[in-house]
Amino acid sequence: GAGVSQSPSNKVTEKGKDVELRCDPISGHTALYWYRQRLGQGLEFLIYFQGNSAPDKSGLPSDRFSAERTGESVSTLTIQRTQQEDSAVYLCATSRASGPYNEQFFGPGTRLTVL
Amino acid sequence: DAKTTQPPSMDCAEGRAANLPCNHSTISGNEYVYWYRQIHSQGPQYIIHGLKNNETNEMASLIITEDRKSSTLILPHATLRDTAVYYCIVRDYTDKLIFGTGTRLQVFP
Repeated sequence: GAGVSQSPSNKVTEKGKDVELRCDPISGHTALYWYRQRLGQGLEFLIYFQGNSAPDKSGLPSDRFSAERTGESVSTLTIQRTQQEDSAVYLCATSRASGPYNEQFFGPGTRLTVL
Repeated sequence: DAKTTQPPSMDCAEGRAANLPCNHSTISGNEYVYWYRQIHSQGPQYIIHGLKNNETNEMASLIITEDRKSSTLILPHATLRDTAVYYCIVRDYTDKLIFGTGTRLQVFP
């Protein structure tokens, strides 16, 4: 496709369950970012992948959060033992390469609701 | 923390130019100014970015002051579909986009 895609678009889960969110990048984009946006708030950086380099995990809020990406392909964000405060829209963005001169393009997000 | 300051809200009449200001007085020489917007319930949309020079694309123009301590995003002919929250972001070498609270632009008929 032409843009970043994410699935599912909506996810409702029960507290304590694990969830997996998927991001399909724009073809050829080597850098991939995950952000979180709680209701009425700005975006929070979670994690960043650039090619085969070690990811920047500095934004992950707890060890319940993890993400994977193989090469320049799909990325998955996993939240284990979900809590109600995990409810948010999870956004994925990709760019051609790392570096502040390369714009990031966002997907539509996955809205996660933890009951 | 966000390195920018924006007014919380602005109004603009349809068809008029919308001028959205942003202050970034602590910007460093190698940091870029980025603008994104977010229409309700959608992911942020890239608008434009610049380092020193003014920039223009099909969506908007970006005017950066000579001292680089402030900038203005200009939507030349605002439409109702431009109603959104507009984020001004100073982007450094770490590659993260650090979003502040943005400016909520309301375009009215």
